[in-house]
Amino acid sequence: KAGVTQTPRYLIKTRGQQVTLSCSPISGHRSVSWYQQTPGQGLQFLFEYFSETQRNKGNFPGRFSGRQFSNSRSEMNVSTLELGDSALYLCASSLAGTGGRGNTEAFFGQGTRLTVV
Amino acid sequence: AQSVAQPEDQVNVAEGNPLTVKCTYSVSGNPYLFWYVQYPNRGLQFLLKYITGDNLVKGSYGFEAEFNKSQTSFHLKKPSALVSDSALYFCAVRDLFNDYKLSFGAGTTVTVRA
Repeated sequence: KAGVTQTPRYLIKTRGQQVTLSCSPISGHRSVSWYQQTPGQGLQFLFEYFSETQRNKGNFPGRFSGRQFSNSRSEMNVSTLELGDSALYLCASSLAGTGGRGNTEAFFGQGTRLTVV
Repeated sequence: AQSVAQPEDQVNVAEGNPLTVKCTYSVSGNPYLFWYVQYPNRGLQFLLKYITGDNLVKGSYGFEAEFNKSQTSFHLKKPSALVSDSALYFCAVRDLFNDYKLSFGAGTTVTVRA
């Protein structure tokens, strides 16, 4: 079955612009999480959505937002881009919380490489 | 609150030697523990998980991990490392009492020299 798909793979934006990244989870997965990965800060948790509701949130400014649609696809948006937002953005989907399951791994997409110039 | 610590930023081993990547955790309740590997410019790939039962868990590519409840550790091991095992490794824990939040360690870069 198809894995987690993130689009686009690469993106170059200018400071002050906004950007929207997309993530299509594995079929049947209702949990979608977003992570920011940079060389200096490692893997930072942004937020998680489950059945269209934000279930968990990391410590990022309000410029970072997300949403999840009824088909479980998710988008994250970054407004007023800063140079420091340049990173690999990873999306992961899982069955966590579905039927009370916790013993389930997350599956990651290939990521979107965002470069802010 | 849950947390995961990977005390070593880097691990260097010679090909054919045993490889160990360390991980300790803190979580309320029973821990659900995971190991992932990441190759350059790629997403994370699942290696193995511990849920319950046998403390020695076997996973993909010849990796295994040992769960130690008293030491709250979940170290990743491979008896004979390959150059192709050179990558970034992440340990993670899921907290059922915190909306199933999955928390990752800082990662350990493994370099296997020929």
